[in-house]
Amino acid sequence: TQLLEQSPQFLSIQEGENLTVYCNSSSVFSSLQWYRQEPGEGPVLLVTVVTGGEVKKLKRLTFQFGDARKDSSLHITAAQPGDTGLYLCAGGSNYKLTFGKGTLLTVNP
Amino acid sequence: GAGVSQTPSNKVTEKGKYVELRCDPISGHTALYWYRQSLGQGPEFLIYFQGTGAADDSGLPNDRFFAVRPEGSVSTLKIQRTERGDSAVYLCASSLSASAGELFFGEGSRLTVL
Repeated sequence: TQLLEQSPQFLSIQEGENLTVYCNSSSVFSSLQWYRQEPGEGPVLLVTVVTGGEVKKLKRLTFQFGDARKDSSLHITAAQPGDTGLYLCAGGSNYKLTFGKGTLLTVNP
Repeated sequence: GAGVSQTPSNKVTEKGKYVELRCDPISGHTALYWYRQSLGQGPEFLIYFQGTGAADDSGLPNDRFFAVRPEGSVSTLKIQRTERGDSAVYLCASSLSASAGELFFGEGSRLTVL
C-alpha cells in the first residue's frame, strides 16, 4: 500500500506570510496531484506533477516534485485569506488515487 | 448542471437502516468514482465505473456496500445495515475517462449514523 504523509497537519499564519507544506512517501509515484478542499466542498485539482524535479507555478503557488518522485512540496508566497483550505496531495493511477490526510491552512487577515 | 451533483447533501439515519446516495456526473464523462472521507482524513477510494460496469470495487469496505450505474450515467451507492463507523462524507467524482482527464468532485453527501 502506498502511503502519503503530509506535514504539517495544521498551519495558521498571517496574511502576507510565505509557507511551505510537504507530501512524503517511501514509495515512488508516477505522478502526484495537489488538491484544495474548502469546507462543504469536494477537492479541486490544482496541479499534477509528473517528472522528477519538475517545478510548476500557479500564480503565487509553486509545486515541486522530488527528483526520486517520492515527495512533493507546495510553497505559497504572500498568502491571502482566500488561500484558506485543506491542501491534499494524491498519487497513484488516475482512477484509484491515494490521498494524504492533508494540511489544514488558515490565513488570518 | 455543469458540475457533479450529489444527493442528499446530508443524511442522518439510525444504526441498522438502509441508505442510498446518488451521484449525477458531468455530462459526457464515462468514468465515475466514489470516495469516502472520514473526519480528519483524506478521501479514500471505494469504487470506480467505466461506463456501466464496476471496473474496480476493491475499496468497498465489506459486502454491506454496493454501487450501481445501470445506464452509464447516474450512480447510486447503497449501504445496508448501516453502522456508526459508516459516518463520513461520501464523495463522487467523474472524469472524461479512467485513463486520463481531471477528476471533478461533487460536494459530497454527509452521512451520519446514530
